[in-house]
Amino acid sequence: TVLTQSPGTLSLSPGERATLSCRASRSVTGSYVAWYHQKPGQAPRLLIYGASRRATGIPDRFSGSGSGTDFTLTISRLEPDDFAVYYCQQYGNSPITFGRGTRLEIK
Amino acid sequence: EVQLLESGGGLVQPGGSLRLSCAASGFTFNSFAMSWVRQAPGKGLEWVSAISARGTSIYYGDSVKGRFTISRDGAKSTLYLQMDSLRADDAATYYCVKELAEQWLLVGDSWGQGALVTVSS
Repeated sequence: TVLTQSPGTLSLSPGERATLSCRASRSVTGSYVAWYHQKPGQAPRLLIYGASRRATGIPDRFSGSGSGTDFTLTISRLEPDDFAVYYCQQYGNSPITFGRGTRLEIK
Repeated sequence: EVQLLESGGGLVQPGGSLRLSCAASGFTFNSFAMSWVRQAPGKGLEWVSAISARGTSIYYGDSVKGRFTISRDGAKSTLYLQMDSLRADDAATYYCVKELAEQWLLVGDSWGQGALVTVSS
């Protein structure tokens, strides 16, 4: 299952709303989609799993939605620490796959 | 606080072997599946291997099947990855990952800082 993330780069300012898209080439079983972000030189951090469940310690500014082939990560009010690369992952179909990432940069 | 500390990375020649270790703390190690995920420089993420909490269920990515072996020691709260017949395309940062539940789902709940593996002659 190929995951296509868009846009490739998103330029926004702190306080703005970010909407990141992840489209699957075929329906993801169980809506088993996760989102991570990764800052340079750091490990990824889990944000969302099961398409919409926030991981432990993740603020409610982060929300996930979607089903089938279309999934979205929304960050309601960007903070400086949110600027990073965001990856979606599907783990409902074999083999699991990751998207190539969306770079969220400060405008 | 969950802590995952990888060790054992380094430079190895093609065809060689390396063993990664991951010392876990801050959670009940024997209650969670664990995984290894790698990331080549400037590249995306690849799930390498996973092992259930009791060690009875194991997953390997296609690219490492038959060459890598995952294991865990509950008494030491340590995860291992034995890597044999290493190739140039195995070069990457290898992350130790705690999963969400006893059975692996291939979702990384907590990640270590990574161990760098370089394969070169």
